Amino acid sequence: EDQVTQSPEALRLQEGESSSLNCSYTVSGLRGLFWYRQDPGKGPEFLFTLYSAGEEKEKERLKATLTKKESFLHITAPKPEDSATYLCAVLVFYNNNDMRFGAGTRLTVKP
Amino acid sequence: DGGITQSPKYLFRKEGQNVTLSCEQNLNHDAMYWYRQDPGQGLRLIYYSQIVNDFQKGDIAEGYSVSREKKESFPLTVTSAQKNPTAFYLCASSIPRNTIYFGEGSWLTVV
Repeated sequence: EDQVTQSPEALRLQEGESSSLNCSYTVSGLRGLFWYRQDPGKGPEFLFTLYSAGEEKEKERLKATLTKKESFLHITAPKPEDSATYLCAVLVFYNNNDMRFGAGTRLTVKP
Repeated sequence: DGGITQSPKYLFRKEGQNVTLSCEQNLNHDAMYWYRQDPGQGLRLIYYSQIVNDFQKGDIAEGYSVSREKKESFPLTVTSAQKNPTAFYLCASSIPRNTIYFGEGSWLTVV
């Protein structure tokens, strides 16, 4: 069964304290791995898509990387406005219309 | 502006009542989706549609119904058969087998 597991469930950082969020997956035939940011009471906002092991994408203080079994979302020198829940999702080749989502990591950045 | 519009933002359902959540997109996407989000859980797929007049059940379709009469619209009805409907509902759309984009969500509460 396809599984997507995110860790930690919650992470508290001081402003400027870099860290990483993890998304591990067990699927057959990964078509793409997606990262989203979700603010409370809002819909998820798309951040990155990664397609193959070794690929990296960057946006401001965020960098996403992908291996054959997991993805990391690295946050460099975070600011309070980076506080949100970060969701990871996978799309597999044999199921074209369904992404499997992890439960998310709730990030809090204190000033 | 291109995007996905969900309405209403907040909805209250009485026991035994059917309610309908609206979703409209102007992104010209063929595929549309409904997800349910509960605290501490990943997004779960209720229904999806790849094309007008066609839709498929997701993992938790019981107690829900949808229609896809127009490309732009994919309303979700929460029927009285859904015994635990209180949740955050997210509509999404995509080019098939590609990144999914979300609306702002609708809160449904049973009163």
